Amino acid sequence: EVRLVQSGPEVKKPGESLKISCQGSGYSFSSFWIAWVRQMPGKGLEWMGTIYPGDSDTRYSPSFQGHVTLSADKSLGSAFLQWSTLRASDTATYFCARQGTGSAGFEDWGQGTLVTVSS
Amino acid sequence: DIQLTQSPSSLSASVGDTVTITCRASQSMRTFLNWYQQKPGKAPRLLIYAASSLHSGVPSRFSGSGFGTDFTLTISSLQPEDFAIYYCQQSYSFPYTFGQGSKLEIK
Repeated sequence: EVRLVQSGPEVKKPGESLKISCQGSGYSFSSFWIAWVRQMPGKGLEWMGTIYPGDSDTRYSPSFQGHVTLSADKSLGSAFLQWSTLRASDTATYFCARQGTGSAGFEDWGQGTLVTVSS
Repeated sequence: DIQLTQSPSSLSASVGDTVTITCRASQSMRTFLNWYQQKPGKAPRLLIYAASSLHSGVPSRFSGSGFGTDFTLTISSLQPEDFAIYYCQQSYSFPYTFGQGSKLEIK
């Protein structure tokens, strides 16, 4: 069974840094793209970027490029999303998702990590 | 970037009805279009990939069609558990994008 398990909720202040994780199991972690998707409170889904753990090839949405960093550690079977400087507008739930073969859809999803940024 | 516009943004229907949601793309993307269902407080769930292929475990009352710029998601014989928000998403080119969502409510 494929599983993506994300780290727990976070409460941070503006200007702080943060790194959240997504651990995959039940499949060859290195061989499938992992995407990150933002959902602000009461809003829709936004694709932030994606990483291929096999070689760390990474693509970003222009809307998020420069503000977040995606990374992956094959030995841990984990992908990461990090911020060096959080803003109040980063308050959202963040999902990781495994993309199927080729340009298929996101077949498996993590449970989501709620990040709250407030002074 | 490819923009995806869903219509309607919201709709109401009754159990047993058939509903259709459309997704229009700003440029052609062959069949690189996927559909998701999301319920409150839950992660999205893949329903349809490559415009018309049913993802494993998804009931056959869900179907998709389309090519190029115009796509549809049809739900036949609505069940109580189908009331949710539906999103389309393109995997044709980076940056991937989602539609704004269509909320299906019980009439």
